[in-house]
Amino acid sequence: QQQVKQSPQSLIVQKGGISIINCAYENTAFDYFPWYQQFPGKGPALLIAIRPDVSEKKEGRFTISFNKSAKQFSLHIMDSQPGDSATYFCAAETQGGSEKLVFGKGTKLTVNP
Amino acid sequence: DVKVTQSSRYLVKRTGEKVFLECVQDMDHENMFWYRQDPGLGLRLIYFSYDVKMKEKGDIPEGYSVSREKKERFSLILESASTNQTSMYLCASSSQGWNTEAFFGQGTRLTVV
Repeated sequence: QQQVKQSPQSLIVQKGGISIINCAYENTAFDYFPWYQQFPGKGPALLIAIRPDVSEKKEGRFTISFNKSAKQFSLHIMDSQPGDSATYFCAAETQGGSEKLVFGKGTKLTVNP
Repeated sequence: DVKVTQSSRYLVKRTGEKVFLECVQDMDHENMFWYRQDPGLGLRLIYFSYDVKMKEKGDIPEGYSVSREKKERFSLILESASTNQTSMYLCASSSQGWNTEAFFGQGTRLTVV
C-alpha cells in the first residue's frame, strides 16, 4: 500500500524553466511533509519541509505548495539549473507516530543546459 | 560536520552467505533506520530502531534482521543472501521527536551473485 504517491517518475526541463513535482497522500494523520534531494552516489538530504498549517513555504528557488483539503503537496523549482539534476523524494510523517518517514517513489529530474 | 557512515560503498556476496552492513552515526541520535532503494520503488523501510536494543519492523523486513548494541551503531544482517536482495542500502539517523531531519549515509551497493 503506497501511502504517498509521487509523480512524475522522471522529468526533463530546460535550464531556466520551472520544475514541478507532485505528491498526494491519503492518511490525514500525516502532518509533516519534507522533500529530500539525492545526487548520484550520495544519500538523500533534506531540501525543504512544510507543516500543514501553512499553504506555502519558499526557500530560495524552491517552494512547497500544500493543499490540505486535496491532500496534495508539490515542489516547485524556479529557474531550474543543471546542478538541480537529482532525484527528489517527497515524504510524510505522522505526529505522535513512530517518527518514521513514508517516502514517495521519487522523481528523477534532469535539467538540460 | 554531522555524519552517518556506512562501512562499505560496494559489496559483492554469494548466494547463501551471511552479510553484515554496518552503520555508524556521530550525532548522538536516538533513531536509526535501514532503507532499501530500488529503481522505480523509491525508499522502502526495512527496520528501524528508536533506542539501544530496540527495533521495529518496517515495510519489508523479510529476509533481514538488525542489531543495535550501541547507540551510535546499527547493523543490518542478511541471514542468507539471495539475488533478490541485490540493491542499494541506505542507513539514516534522526533525533527523537517530531519533525526532525533524517540524515542519510552514502549507501552500500550490494550485489548478490
